Amino acid sequence: NAGVMQNPRHLVRRRGQEARLRCSPMKGHSHVYWYRQLPEEGLKFMVYLQKENIIDESGMPKERFSAEFPKEGPSILRIQQVVRGDSAAYFCASSGSGANVLTFGAGSRLTVL
Amino acid sequence: ELKVEQNPLFLSMQEGKNYTIYCNYSTTSDRLYWYRQDPGKSLESLFVLLSNGAVKQEGRLMASLDTKARLSTLHITAAVHDLSATYFCAVDLGIQGAQKLVFGQGTRLTINP
Repeated sequence: NAGVMQNPRHLVRRRGQEARLRCSPMKGHSHVYWYRQLPEEGLKFMVYLQKENIIDESGMPKERFSAEFPKEGPSILRIQQVVRGDSAAYFCASSGSGANVLTFGAGSRLTVL
Repeated sequence: ELKVEQNPLFLSMQEGKNYTIYCNYSTTSDRLYWYRQDPGKSLESLFVLLSNGAVKQEGRLMASLDTKARLSTLHITAAVHDLSATYFCAVDLGIQGAQKLVFGQGTRLTINP
């Protein structure tokens, strides 16, 4: 079991470009979460998805950020027109139904120049 | 709004010593998690505490939960260098079955030989 797979691990973008971060949950897991970690801080919840459904997006910025988890393929976190403040580590986590523990991926570190 | 506060935020200690990290939270919850993060890495689940009075131990680490006091502790016994890392507690808001975790700021632990 390869665990939660995220890519790219590192991404550099210039201001105004788009960033796409991908997450494949653990085999058998149908719940996906995205968290953001700013330097020297704890993780902050962004969004919770199940296949083809956004369940809770209360932590997502209102503009420029979107997430999806299609029927086939990985979950994608998309950031349009990136700004320097978007520089952070973005972690994906997954769980199975009724599970108590999230399994985190290795993270995608976004740097905006 | 749920707040999760850890203290200390920075801890430097010698090998062989004992110490405790505290995690206070501001609202009712009976699910609390402890994670370890090494620099540039993902989060590794250490403990899941699911009820008042829960105590779990793994090696030199022991975690406990007092839901009435809204306090969890992570106790380190006879520290060794390998335990150097950042430790996060996280409280589960548990809304609609989602694992919406609110993280503390993290405690950066450095263990010196």
